[in-house]
Amino acid sequence: AQSVTQPDIHITVSEGASLELRCNYSYGATPYLFWYVQSPGQGLQLLLKYFSGDTLVQGIKGFEAEFKRSQSSFNLRKPSVHWSDAAEYFCAGLAGGGNKLTFGTGTQLKVEL
Amino acid sequence: GAGVSQSPSNKVTEKGKDVELRCDPISGHTALYWYRQSLGQGLEFLIYFQGNSAPDKSGLPSDRFSAERTGGSVSTLTIQRTQQEDSAVYLCASSLDAWGGGDHTDTQYFGPGTRLTVL
Repeated sequence: AQSVTQPDIHITVSEGASLELRCNYSYGATPYLFWYVQSPGQGLQLLLKYFSGDTLVQGIKGFEAEFKRSQSSFNLRKPSVHWSDAAEYFCAGLAGGGNKLTFGTGTQLKVEL
Repeated sequence: GAGVSQSPSNKVTEKGKDVELRCDPISGHTALYWYRQSLGQGLEFLIYFQGNSAPDKSGLPSDRFSAERTGGSVSTLTIQRTQQEDSAVYLCASSLDAWGGGDHTDTQYFGPGTRLTVL
């Protein structure tokens, strides 16, 4: 069965520190992969996406993610976190030819000032 | 507006009542999706519309749930005889198309959601 796993439920970082949020996927073939962010009471905002090609993808708000086929991972990174980055982050996969996003359980990011 | 819009933003209802949730997709997007976000289940796919094709209803949790998409644009999700376990945030998304071509046209953009509370 297709699945996306986010091992960390909560992460706390200090403002200005680097950030890495983990995401692993399990699909029969390489899926399309996405990172979304959700602020309290808001919908999901797309941060970045991977379809094919370059394994390091750049997104909005200074985020990037690296696709690693050997590790079945698509981790999200940011070199220096801002207090406004505090939110919940969701990794999602879409099977090729499919239409249903499969989401991870989310990682709640807290930023300490 | 340029994004997906949903109404109402909040809905409180009594158990047993019917509710309708509305979604306006991004103009020109042919594919529309409904998802549900609840504490116990996370984000779950409910239903998907693509153009004039028959909708994929495989994610609907019971026959109390139904959805329509009129004129290939606006969609309404209806929940009949609501139960307390239906309390959740209902999210709508749209994409330019959904033929799995593996490009930006498959990217789903989400609305702000409708928070449904069943008392």
